[in-house]
Amino acid sequence: GDSVTQTEGLVTLTEGLPVMLNCTYQTIYSNPFLFWYVQHLNESPRLLLKSFTDNKRTEHQGFHATLHKSSSSFHLQKSSAQLSDSALYYCALSGNYNQGKLIFGQGTKLSIKP
Amino acid sequence: GPKVLQIPSHQIIDMGQMVTLNCDPVSNHLYFYWYKQILGQQMEFLVNFYNGKVMEKSKLFKDQFSVERPDGSYFTLKIQPTALEDSAVYFCASSLDRDAEQFFGPGTRLTVL
Repeated sequence: GDSVTQTEGLVTLTEGLPVMLNCTYQTIYSNPFLFWYVQHLNESPRLLLKSFTDNKRTEHQGFHATLHKSSSSFHLQKSSAQLSDSALYYCALSGNYNQGKLIFGQGTKLSIKP
Repeated sequence: GPKVLQIPSHQIIDMGQMVTLNCDPVSNHLYFYWYKQILGQQMEFLVNFYNGKVMEKSKLFKDQFSVERPDGSYFTLKIQPTALEDSAVYFCASSLDRDAEQFFGPGTRLTVL
């Protein structure tokens, strides 16, 4: 069945360093939608990025990700981490043309230190 | 931005009892979802709901589970009877359309003793 893998449970970085959170997926769908959700402490998960176009970079709030169907990846990156980026980050997958049901990865906790 | 509310934030009940989790979705949204997250694991899809009907449910959506949204009020998840393995955080989400962004609530932490 469909699945999403986030290999890092916890990523700890010093402020100012680049961020890269890994996300790979498996799916039977040829046109999946991929998402990154972010959840700050005591808040709801909210959408950060989404994409369904192969090899096209998508950006929001300083973060970017590119869907690569050849490697089934959708890694999240940021050039310079800020203290406020500390949060839980979830990668998620939906089927062709975003059928509504989201399949989540296990989440990566990003902790930014001064 | 649009907010989804969930009531209560925490619920502790004895195994075998009934529990109802309430979700107040974004006011003009038409699609509603429940996800379950056991401690330390990923969020997993339970069910989605549109126009008064369940559209799709996962194998986690046991016979003891039911959902409804009577007269445009809360979107509810009822578990009757509860089991120990139902202990988890339950997230509600809503979206304007099937392929639109899902907005999540803060979750209800359910503990079954």
